Amino acid sequence: ETGVTQSPTHLIKTRGQQVTLRCSSQSGHNTVSWYQQALGQGPQFIFQYYREEENGRGNFPPRFSGLQFPNYSSELNVNALELDDSALYLCASSLTGGPDEKLFFGSGTQLSVL
Amino acid sequence: RKEVEQDPGPFNVPEGATVAFNCTYSNSASQSFFWYRQDCRKEPKLLMSVYSSGNEDGRFTAQLNRASQYISLLIRDSKLSDSATYLCVAVPASGGNTGKLIFGQGTTLQVKP
Repeated sequence: ETGVTQSPTHLIKTRGQQVTLRCSSQSGHNTVSWYQQALGQGPQFIFQYYREEENGRGNFPPRFSGLQFPNYSSELNVNALELDDSALYLCASSLTGGPDEKLFFGSGTQLSVL
Repeated sequence: RKEVEQDPGPFNVPEGATVAFNCTYSNSASQSFFWYRQDCRKEPKLLMSVYSSGNEDGRFTAQLNRASQYISLLIRDSKLSDSATYLCVAVPASGGNTGKLIFGQGTTLQVKP
């Protein structure tokens, strides 16, 4: 167990809806990163939050947004869902987000968009 | 061209076999490299870091060739429990803390009895 928890584990939405995914980081970690993993692909970096500020973003449109709270837990929000948003969404926490730090992944949220 | 490329496989090998996976990366400024293991639709787990000097952890050996921008993973004496997807990871050089990992597509290994 990594100590990183994500909710919900599974979710089904329809195209055009909005979704919020949640992540609780490991105790003592102030950095949370979000990744999207489509079937048959490796995880793709969405963005990272460090001490409540966005600190790096991948090639995702603005309808993917996030938030980090004072307790360092985080949310990923996706507006205007598209079929291609169907994927496993992974949250990972690390101590400070440095490039050599180990990331601790949660078990993910499987999102299906119909 | 993808930033990190791997042969998706699958690699089907018998128990006890030695198997090697390769990976190439396009960003010569990448500064850190890792191999992660992922079981079916579960979270990726760090297998090992990869260094130019090569590093070994039991039956697993990882190697980095910066000149060729090439990373390898060798698994000796394969076990049934080694069946998984192996993800090659590069971390781009960047100012500040981003911790952004660039994952390859993953290589699937199936070890047969």
